[in-house]
Amino acid sequence: NAGVTQTPKFQVLKTGQSMTLQCAQDMNHEYMSWYRQDPGMGLRLIHYSVGAGITDQGEVPNGYNVSRSTTEDFPLRLLSAAPSQTSVYFCASSPSGTQSYTFGSGTRLTVV
Amino acid sequence: GIQVEQSPPDLILQEGANSTLRCNFSDSVNNLQWFHQNPWGQLINLFYIPSGTKQNGRLSATTVATERYSLLYISSSQTTDSGVYFCAVVSGAQKLVFGQGTRLTINP
Repeated sequence: NAGVTQTPKFQVLKTGQSMTLQCAQDMNHEYMSWYRQDPGMGLRLIHYSVGAGITDQGEVPNGYNVSRSTTEDFPLRLLSAAPSQTSVYFCASSPSGTQSYTFGSGTRLTVV
Repeated sequence: GIQVEQSPPDLILQEGANSTLRCNFSDSVNNLQWFHQNPWGQLINLFYIPSGTKQNGRLSATTVATERYSLLYISSSQTTDSGVYFCAVVSGAQKLVFGQGTRLTINP
């Protein structure tokens, strides 16, 4: 039982490049979400999904796309990276209707 | 939207000391969580505590929902308690709204 797995752990991008941050969970959780963590600002919600085929925007969705084709996977796409997207990204999952959240170990992204 | 404020922003203590971390929130909530982020960045769920008091070993938490605050108590601190402590409230559909965190440093 691996929990929530995020890849890669570190990534450096040039401005304008695209990439996908991967998130996979093996707990059959319905709810998955992406947060970004910036210094002094806590974590902010980017996008979330309440089940396969359903996604919605969080607090800071601009510049990011998501899809949820399976229960297990919830990738986050940066179409054209900007320096303002330099951050640590966390994926989380939770069984629907519960208060138990499992976070991945994070992806540290630097955009130069 | 709902605002979550934590205090103090930083706290430095000697091993063995006790500490109290505070979380204020701007609106009524049905769900409040405390998390610990260790120095390696991993986030661990400590408590789900919408009201009342819970204890887990040296840690305990109290939420007074009517007065819109929650407290996290750490007794007999150990160096492994170091890290950042976040409180978060749920704002619909299991969306977490985090405070800015309290960075706790426990010196040996």
